[in-house]
Amino acid sequence: KNQVEQSPQSLIILEGKNCTLQCNYTVSPFSNLRWYKQDTGRGPVSLTIMTFSENTKSNGRYTATLDADTKQSSLHITASQLSDSASYICVVSFSYGNNRLAFGKGNQVVVIP
Amino acid sequence: DVKVTQSSRYLVKRTGEKVFLECVQDMDHENMFWYRQDPGLGLRLIYFSYDVKMKEKGDIPEGYSVSREKKERFSLILESASTNQTSMYLCASSRQGVYNEQFFGPGTRLTVL
Repeated sequence: KNQVEQSPQSLIILEGKNCTLQCNYTVSPFSNLRWYKQDTGRGPVSLTIMTFSENTKSNGRYTATLDADTKQSSLHITASQLSDSASYICVVSFSYGNNRLAFGKGNQVVVIP
Repeated sequence: DVKVTQSSRYLVKRTGEKVFLECVQDMDHENMFWYRQDPGLGLRLIYFSYDVKMKEKGDIPEGYSVSREKKERFSLILESASTNQTSMYLCASSRQGVYNEQFFGPGTRLTVL
């Protein structure tokens, strides 16, 4: 069964600190993996996309990694800001069909001053 | 900028009512999607469309139908709303192809009393 598991479910971090979110997937056949950020009351917005051959990709203070062999990805947030408080959703795309996706349940991050 | 708009941010309906949720995108995308998002369950695909008048069932189509008469507009219909359809509904659109990002609307929070 195609699944995307994320951990931790939620975490609280102090402003300025770093944190790492984890994603394990069993989606097959794999095409690519995106991390989306969803602010409260809004739709998700893509942060990064990684294909099979990519190991690391950065977008500002966000750095995503992918290990396609172990089917694991992580999202590292550096020097967290209050605006980083959001849900981060790991999304894996199948390599067939019209852009069908498998979604994780999200990591809820709360940054406190 | 890609823009996906949804007709209502908040909606309250009574059990048995027929409910229409409208979604419009302005980027000439071929694909459009309807998801619902519930706490602890993540995003689940209800229906999607890859062309005008074309539709395919997603993972949870029961109790819903859709209509796509124009390329830019995708409607979700609850024929007879029930309390278990209380949820956040998100519309998304994308170009054809597995590498193309799905762009999400702001969501409609539907409460069925």
